[in-house]
This record gives sequence, structure tokens and C-alpha cells, in this order.
Amino acid sequence: GDSVTQMEGPVTLSEEAFLTINCTYTATGYPSLFWYVQYPGEGLQLLLKATKADDKGSNKGFEATYRKETTSFHLEKGSVQVSDSAVYFCALTTNSGNTPLVFGKGTRLSVIA
Amino acid sequence: DAMVIQNPRYQVTQFGKPVTLSCSQTLNHNVMYWYQQKSSQAPKLLFHYYDKDFNNEADTPDNFQSRRPNTSFCFLDIRSPGLGDAAMYLCATSPRQGGLGNEQFFGPGTRLTVL
Repeated sequence: GDSVTQMEGPVTLSEEAFLTINCTYTATGYPSLFWYVQYPGEGLQLLLKATKADDKGSNKGFEATYRKETTSFHLEKGSVQVSDSAVYFCALTTNSGNTPLVFGKGTRLSVIA
Repeated sequence: DAMVIQNPRYQVTQFGKPVTLSCSQTLNHNVMYWYQQKSSQAPKLLFHYYDKDFNNEADTPDNFQSRRPNTSFCFLDIRSPGLGDAAMYLCATSPRQGGLGNEQFFGPGTRLTVL
């Protein structure tokens, strides 16, 4: 079945450090890929998405590129801020049928000043 | 702004006492979802409605039921809450069930405490 694997956390970084959170997937169909962010005590918010190979999703300084050859969608940000502290979920849905979102387990990021 | 609203944000109930959580949306989306999220875990899909069609996940306990009286509203009923049902409950919507780039829009969640 479809699955998403993302790096275990927690990840602790100093402000202005470079962030990478790895995400790889397996999918029977052709997936769309998402990164969601969850701030403490809140629901999930879509951070960015990509729907086909080599697409780059970007938002709020975060980027992720859909790599079909490596089945990956790694999240990156060049300079993190304290306000980026949250849990980040990689997810996919396939482009046919009624497949709901398949989530990774989430990666907790803590940014310290 | 179009959004997904969940009420209440915090709910306390007693062991075995039925509880209902509500979700409403102004996005006019066809699909509504209920997720259970326990601490430090990914959201777990309980069920979803595509319009009026109810789709239950295979491992969702019978203790959990849902109603969708109209496009805008969806309810989660927990008939006899146990201590293990304490969690954050997330409602989400999407325009369609699947397809290219079909993202889900989440509400803020209801945190359920069972005493």
C-alpha cells in the first residue's frame, strides 16, 4: 500500500540554521505530495504541495521538490526562525480514486534563539 | 474568510458519557473527514463523507459514529467514551475525494478529555 516515511525527530536548531526534513514515499499510483505544519494546540495547515515530478512547492521560505527518481519530497528552509517551531507532516494522495491523505509520522522541530 | 470551524475547542466528558463534537465549513466542499490524533502521532482517519455517502475506515471502532445533515455540518458522536479516546479530533474538508493536488483543509481541532 501507499506509505510515507519521514525522518524521526525531534529536530532542534538554532535560529538562522538550515533545515532539512527528509521524506520518502511509496505509492501504487501517481501521487500528489504535501507538507502540512501543525503549530502547538492547533490543526494542520497546508505548507506547500507538488503534483508532478520536478515540481517545486514553496511557501514562507520553505521549499520541497518532487523527485520521482528517488521517490522523495524533502522539506528545506535556508534560515529557520523561532516561529517555525512546530510539527511537520509529509503526506501523499494518489491522483485517482478516493484515496485519503496518507501521512508520515511527523517531525517535531524546535528552533531556539 | 472561508474556513473549517470546530466546536468546542476543548471538551471534557466522563467515562461512558456520550459526547458530540461538531464541525462546520464555509468552503462548500463535498468531502468532510474526521481524524483522531493522539499525542506525538500523525492524524488517524476515522471516516469521511463524500456528499452524503459515508465511508468508514475498517479499523474505526463502533463506538464512533458520524452524521452529516447537510453540506456544511458534520458531527462526530462518541457513544461511550473510554480513557483511550482522549485525543485531539480534527475535522477536514476537500473539494473532491481524490485527484491531482486534492488538498485537505483542516479545522483547529477539538481536544477531548475523558475523566
